[in-house]
Amino acid sequence: DTAVSQTPKYLVTQMGNDKSIKCEQNLGHDTMYWYKQDSKKFLKIMFSYNNKELIINETVPNRFSPKSPDKAHLNLHINSLELGDSAVYFCASSPIDGQKYFGPGTRLTVT
Amino acid sequence: AQKITQTQPGMFVQEKEAVTLDCTYDTSDQSYGLFWYKQPSSGEMIFLIYQGSYDEQNATEGRYSLNFQKARKSANLVISASQLGDSAMYFCAMRERNSGNTPLVFGKGTRLSVIA
Repeated sequence: DTAVSQTPKYLVTQMGNDKSIKCEQNLGHDTMYWYKQDSKKFLKIMFSYNNKELIINETVPNRFSPKSPDKAHLNLHINSLELGDSAVYFCASSPIDGQKYFGPGTRLTVT
Repeated sequence: AQKITQTQPGMFVQEKEAVTLDCTYDTSDQSYGLFWYKQPSSGEMIFLIYQGSYDEQNATEGRYSLNFQKARKSANLVISASQLGDSAMYFCAMRERNSGNTPLVFGKGTRLSVIA
């Protein structure tokens, strides 16, 4: 009964490629997020969606495009991957009032 | 300015001892929430404890307690009776305007190592 799931768990790809990471939550939450954790373990918000609508975009390059087909899904598509995109990407969801539930993370390695 | 400051990059504690992980925060909001998450070497983010800015009592969850000092803007995590399995990164985080839609702002984390 995974609450927030992400696929794939690991992603190794070459510079210049386009890739997607999928996220699904079965908690019925209205709000979903993408966070990026860099090599120094620093976690930073990238995007926030509420009921399929983008509400926060934290100056992320426009090579990153989130897409929310429905309330339970928030996918992250990355175009023209760069070395600096290597990181762990976490999807999360939350109810109106409560903690954030995190997915297991996707470790992206760009070579 | 950093919103969440964790001044201890690394900490060591003997098994069965208590340990305090420091966290200070900066906000002008009256309503906010403070969180602690644990990230073991396997990588997942595990929610530990939550304190709302209007909560008068310090939050406790099992061996975890949050020492909330509002005037000092500190929200230290206390782990009692440390276990080897507590070895992990610990992140303090804040949600301003304490609404579920607001994303968390994280500190840089503290790596805790529990020694047998």
